[in-house]
Amino acid sequence: DAKTTQPPSMDCAEGRAANLPCNHSTISGNEYVYWYRQIHSQGPQYIIHGLKNNETNEMASLIITEDRKSSTLILPHATLRDTAVYYCIVRVVGGHNFNKFYFGSGTKLNVKP
Amino acid sequence: EAQVTQNPRYLITVTGKKLTVTCSQNMNHEYMSWYRQDPGLGLRQIYYSMNVEVTDKGDVPEGYKVSRKEKRNFPLILESPSPNQTSLYFCASSLSGRSTGNTIYFGEGSWLTVV
Repeated sequence: DAKTTQPPSMDCAEGRAANLPCNHSTISGNEYVYWYRQIHSQGPQYIIHGLKNNETNEMASLIITEDRKSSTLILPHATLRDTAVYYCIVRVVGGHNFNKFYFGSGTKLNVKP
Repeated sequence: EAQVTQNPRYLITVTGKKLTVTCSQNMNHEYMSWYRQDPGLGLRQIYYSMNVEVTDKGDVPEGYKVSRKEKRNFPLILESPSPNQTSLYFCASSLSGRSTGNTIYFGEGSWLTVV
């Protein structure tokens, strides 16, 4: 089952904010929303995660709607090096209290000069 | 420096020749996992381990084995590799698999080609 839904691609002008949306309508109360990115075929890089409150760190901001069914990752000043595939992930608890990480197809962000 | 280390990074092998991809983490993490990444299919979990001697199947376990004899190591074993196991493989770890709040760290990936 798909746990998250993201647009397949987005463009953003260098220096502008990039806003990447994600739908996770089946999220449950104790599940966190994580964002990772993958540049070319390198290992996925952690960006940010949150439960219900908005979060901000040195890389990005995460805005989670009040009903928690969707979220937006914001890169405030996108650079060419932010060109990557961005994955929105819901961390679920499996059948035996085990965790799994479900990766979807992600959003390919193209930052253009 | 906290890291997840995989070896080899690149490997070309022949069908049926057993191989092992090693994974080691230096963060004393309990939870470790293996993923494969194929074009158009995203990352799919192969196996995971909650702690030493505790392993379980992920979504695509066929053709793979794992072991977790030590906390820091989680090797992926292909007993009889086939061409459909040609893929990019990632190892990952996190402090605990029982809390959704832990960050997962990924290795840099291992390119495997089976001819």
